[in-house]
Amino acid sequence: LAKTTQPISMDSYEGQEVNITCSHNNIATNDYITWYQQFPSQGPRFIIQGYKTKVTNEVASLFIPADRKSSTLSLPRVSLSDTAVYYCLVRGYSTLTFGKGTMLLVSP
Amino acid sequence: DSGVTQTPKHLITATGQRVTLRCSPRSGDLSVYWYQQSLDQGLQFLIQYYNGEERAKGNILERFSAQQFPDLHSELNLSSLELGDSALYFCASSKETSGLAGGSNTDTQYFGPGTRLTVL
Repeated sequence: LAKTTQPISMDSYEGQEVNITCSHNNIATNDYITWYQQFPSQGPRFIIQGYKTKVTNEVASLFIPADRKSSTLSLPRVSLSDTAVYYCLVRGYSTLTFGKGTMLLVSP
Repeated sequence: DSGVTQTPKHLITATGQRVTLRCSPRSGDLSVYWYQQSLDQGLQFLIQYYNGEERAKGNILERFSAQQFPDLHSELNLSSLELGDSALYFCASSKETSGLAGGSNTDTQYFGPGTRLTVL
């Protein structure tokens, strides 16, 4: 079972790019990496998913190196509304491991 | 709004009691997942059902059980409750149309608003 490790918290300012890294050293061949965002008193919400290299959508990019032992969620030009907890998920066919989450605080 | 509904929103009960949490998935979603979220443990995967059958099991205690009914709604039963069971319980659903025995590793999960359980 893949174990995931994320920083507990990060601080940023509006307009900056934020990179949050998740370590998953024993990721399996069939595992995908997904990132979720969670606001207080709400359920997590899907941000982006990838297997390797780089994936980009309208809100974020996901970088996964060739060895897949880590992944980095990149949020371009964050705003105050990006203040939330960000979770990485390593998902196999019948295994699910969420990281403990990174609390991102964006200040003016 | 994710389309996943959970009831009740809040539940306060005493140690030793039994409670049932209910989840209705998004229309068309066959898979339901249950999670426990506490301050010190983060999001813990409990169990997944696909079209009425158990698909994957996580850190679910023996005092907890779940099922998915023919109309695809799911219930999580928590018994002999302890103080440490106080947490937010989330349900999520996904399409997972593959139906493969191993399940899908790429399905997007849509989470409900959660049920906050307080055990006194």
